[in-house]
Amino acid sequence: EADIYQTPRYLVIGTGKKITLECSQTMGHDKMYWYQQDPGMELHLIHYSYGVNSTEKGDLSSESTVSRIRTEHFPLTLESARPSHTSQYLCASVAGLTDTQYFGPGTRLTVL
Amino acid sequence: KQEVTQIPAALSVPEGENLVLNCSFTDSAIYNLQWFRQDPGKGLTSLLLIQSSQREQTSGRLNASLDKSSGRSTLYIAASQPGDSATYLCAVNYGQNFVFGPGTRLSVLP
Repeated sequence: EADIYQTPRYLVIGTGKKITLECSQTMGHDKMYWYQQDPGMELHLIHYSYGVNSTEKGDLSSESTVSRIRTEHFPLTLESARPSHTSQYLCASVAGLTDTQYFGPGTRLTVL
Repeated sequence: KQEVTQIPAALSVPEGENLVLNCSFTDSAIYNLQWFRQDPGKGLTSLLLIQSSQREQTSGRLNASLDKSSGRSTLYIAASQPGDSATYLCAVNYGQNFVFGPGTRLSVLP
């Protein structure tokens, strides 16, 4: 069973606010990912990291940033939230030996 | 371009039926393929992972096969139950990135 956590689970905020979505895993995985998923739609990669101090942009990264200061922690920051950011955000980590992806429960974000 | 498709998009079956979900990918240079289940509003739960060198994997009532040369994988669910109702996604690992299919939404009717 994977131990990957996301907080908050639900968030409703106003336009223009700065927010940080938290993701942490206790499995010591080097690879971590952030995805955005609208209801009933495909997952889109936002950012990924292959280890401490390593971050890369995915397809939808232009309006967000990430950091990887510790192996277990991979927070995602939206500098200025907009209604178009309303979505579910999923964090995942990958086991090095098997390349199995494990997902957190997700954060459902609503920007008013 | 690496693309993953899944057929059918939605499926509704009576309880007890055996069923097959399909996943196709355009680039066969894969590391592995993983099948997930997603309940509404939740994260993804890993069901099975098949390495590129494997032909199939089994877990309980689930069996996943992989034909890398033809770019296809199938997920077979035996004796379906209402609790199997969810969206099933396949994800192809290309080493540098994962590409997800759009999913098959399954409803198993009591």
